[in-house]
Amino acid sequence: QVQLVESGGGVVQPGGSLTLSCAASGFTFSDYVMYWVRRAPGKGLEWLALIGHDGINKKYNADSVKGRFTIARDNSKNTLYLQMIGLRFDDTAMYYCAKDPAIKGFGGAWFDPWGRGSLVIVSS
Amino acid sequence: QSVLTQAPSASGTRGQRVIISCSGGSSNVGSNNVYWYQQLPGAAPKLLIFKNNQRPSGVPDRFSGSKSGTSASLAISGLRSEDEAEYHCAAWDDSLSGTVFGGGTKLTVL
Repeated sequence: QVQLVESGGGVVQPGGSLTLSCAASGFTFSDYVMYWVRRAPGKGLEWLALIGHDGINKKYNADSVKGRFTIARDNSKNTLYLQMIGLRFDDTAMYYCAKDPAIKGFGGAWFDPWGRGSLVIVSS
Repeated sequence: QSVLTQAPSASGTRGQRVIISCSGGSSNVGSNNVYWYQQLPGAAPKLLIFKNNQRPSGVPDRFSGSKSGTSASLAISGLRSEDEAEYHCAAWDDSLSGTVFGGGTKLTVL
């Protein structure tokens, strides 16, 4: 079945960097738009970025990301990435990857399924 | 502060019907599909309703969605203890060119 497994989270100091990975299986990864979404403690879900099925088109939540995060994918490895630099205390959150159900399409806010998440803690 | 507005909490007794609302604007709910996600404690979000009122296979018909203008609603009938979770609405925003979420509504089953 379709499965998404995030990894790479951990504790990092303010200003530090981290790269999250999302290993996909059970579907043709290269056919689908992929997303990163996070949830900070005590807050709601927050969309961060999306990447087209071919890795060319990318969109970011400019307010949250502010040029610090980069989404990427390696279709040969069925893996999605989120590279994060200049991490701040308010980046502490559970980070989820999610798949768009529309083959080579774009649902916009249609995320199914989600991975179980990778926890990032920014702490000095 | 979230772009879409949801009440932070809701409650109902077992068997009751509860409605959770999501209010947006013309650039998001008013012009795009609304999606609802259920997040059980300690778990990842799960798709509950897609394209305003469609249920994925496996989601009980106790859950239903609707949309009118710039507002959307999720109705849960025959409330059960396992429905105790947080519910999030989401839509694409044409002005922001990104996905926007509500702040989430925590449902308590009394």
